[in-house]
Amino acid sequence: GAVVSQHPSWVICKSGTSVKIECRSLDFQATTMFWYRQFPKQSLMLMATSNEGSKATYEQGVEKDKFLINHASLTLSTLTVTSAHPEDSSFYICSARDPTSGGETQYFGPGTRLLVL
Amino acid sequence: AQRVTQPEKLLSVFKGAPVELKCNYSYSGSPELFWYVQYSRQRLQLLLRHISRESIKGFTADLNKGETSFHLKKPFAQEEDSAMYYCALSRGAQKLVFGQGTRLTINP
Repeated sequence: GAVVSQHPSWVICKSGTSVKIECRSLDFQATTMFWYRQFPKQSLMLMATSNEGSKATYEQGVEKDKFLINHASLTLSTLTVTSAHPEDSSFYICSARDPTSGGETQYFGPGTRLLVL
Repeated sequence: AQRVTQPEKLLSVFKGAPVELKCNYSYSGSPELFWYVQYSRQRLQLLLRHISRESIKGFTADLNKGETSFHLKKPFAQEEDSAMYYCALSRGAQKLVFGQGTRLTINP
């Protein structure tokens, strides 16, 4: 089946720094990828939709200048958390839709755990 | 507003017993509903979707528009079914709204 990878799997950074998380579709091309955030013991919340070759669309309440998304190729989307603060600490998960699989199946990455000190 | 509710955070049943994980939704349009599963130390993966009307690993789920429910059922639980289960609703353009999740534990 389709595989989505994320890098890094975990990251610790100091407050005020920026962190980039990569999401790759390994064996298919994804025109659309999605970024989710999951707080401990809570559900996944959609942050934004990443569209290849165009601007990302953000969900209400998500700061686009804070969470920069770039989808420069059909297999890679990046999420950059700018000027990270402790409240940005969370589990970030991406997903990608394989357009050849039909339907609305999304394939999820393993997630990236971010801890901001 | 779109909402998915899974009333049980934890559910524990014995092996061989029937399982039902509840899911209720709120959506003004025609809903597309899914069940996702996350096994220990693994990523989230699709279990089934209502459009397919299929049975996966013995699980089935029927969309009941009158009760706005999409409960997941299995007649005989197996130990390998222990996992976190998320009910999700697509609100168009493949944007998913997830429920809080139910952690299912199958006791031997």
